[in-house]
Amino acid sequence: EIVMTQSPATLSVSPGESATLSCRASQILNTNLAWYQHKPGQAPRLLIYAESIRAPGTPPRFRGSASGTEFTLTITSLQSEDFAVYYCHQYNSWPQAFGPGTTVDLK
Amino acid sequence: EVQLVESGGGLVKPGGSLTLSCAASGFTFSTYAMNWVRQAPGKGLEWVASISIDSDYKYYADSVSGRFTISRDNAKNSLFLQMNSLRVEDTAIYYCARLPGYGDHGRELDSWGQGTPLTVSS
Repeated sequence: EIVMTQSPATLSVSPGESATLSCRASQILNTNLAWYQHKPGQAPRLLIYAESIRAPGTPPRFRGSASGTEFTLTITSLQSEDFAVYYCHQYNSWPQAFGPGTTVDLK
Repeated sequence: EVQLVESGGGLVKPGGSLTLSCAASGFTFSTYAMNWVRQAPGKGLEWVASISIDSDYKYYADSVSGRFTISRDNAKNSLFLQMNSLRVEDTAIYYCARLPGYGDHGRELDSWGQGTPLTVSS
């Protein structure tokens, strides 16, 4: 079973700044990793899949990257609508697993 | 427009049963695998179950295996989650989510519903 961890748990950022979110997998994922944005009371939204491919409608300020079992979601020039919880998700093997999430809030 | 609308949540006593439904529209339901994902109060997302386009492949999280059954009716564009022997720890918002492809392998979840809440309490 693959275990996903995310850091930090909370990231306080001012609008216009950049945010770097980290995700680590306990095993190699063969690019089978996605990132989601989740706001209270809303459906989660797919941002990035296959480590670095932006989903349709994802602004270019969201960038996914990877190095081995370490994955990074970078948000440049944070906008007010970007304050949310972000989850990484491995779909390389069963059972699928989400990371515990990183909350990006207003500094 | 892709729409996934969950229903069927509510208040159930421990040990009870309930079936959740997800009505799909705006896409060809029979060509997408489907998942259930849940979020317990104050917690993160937890994958629950997955079903292939033809129902030949079904996968479950260990936490629900043997108690929950995922199914689908392609003629009615609907996904279901039958939940038996419910526990307090099953309390969560349950989301249905679409994934591209057949469904024997995992994929990204590209569309989600708004969720339906389930509370298991005596």
